[in-house]
Amino acid sequence: NAGVTQTPKFQVLKTGQSMTLQCAQDMNHNSMYWYRQDPGMGLRLIYYSASEGTTDKGEVPNGYNVSRLNKREFSLRLESAAPSQTSVYFCASIEQALNQPQHFGDGTRLSIL
Amino acid sequence: GESVGLHLPTLSVQEGDNSIINCAYSNSASDYFIWYKQESGKGPQFIIDIRSNMDKRQGQRVTVLLNKTVKHLSLQIAATQPGDSAVYFCAENDAGNNRKLIWGLGTSLAVNP
Repeated sequence: NAGVTQTPKFQVLKTGQSMTLQCAQDMNHNSMYWYRQDPGMGLRLIYYSASEGTTDKGEVPNGYNVSRLNKREFSLRLESAAPSQTSVYFCASIEQALNQPQHFGDGTRLSIL
Repeated sequence: GESVGLHLPTLSVQEGDNSIINCAYSNSASDYFIWYKQESGKGPQFIIDIRSNMDKRQGQRVTVLLNKTVKHLSLQIAATQPGDSAVYFCAENDAGNNRKLIWGLGTSLAVNP
């Protein structure tokens, strides 16, 4: 059982390039999340999808777009990457929205030069 | 050893000692709390959770205590082992939107052999 799978694991971009981070879960979970984590800090929510077909902004959505492609997959897109978006990106999912722990992937480490 | 979370983000203990990691949460309306462990290069891993109708919950070598009066959460690790070295995060559900979590900044636990 793979859980939450993120691709790629590492990526280096130049300023202004675009990039899509992929996330897939095989647990039949309804809700999915994208976070970023900067050095020495906790997780900040970028976007989430409470269920297939819906997406909502988190606390730091600027510069990002998301697509809930189907129940399994939730992608994060940077249309024009900026150095401030250098971070580690984590995808998470939960079975149901209410009072359940989120399950995380191992992250995508993104550097923007 | 004991930490006070935001005031002392690094906790160093001797192998075999008990560890206590503390967390102050923000919203008295939160009714669900989670502790995560994050090892270097990995995503957060669920350790234990507790609902607000409880004040203590035990797992394997870990105990979570909840004090709603002072909005305080703690994680106790018994007989700390080198494999427990990681950053520990507390999270509370967002009472205004229970599809989201509010994350603490984390406490780094270092176990000395």
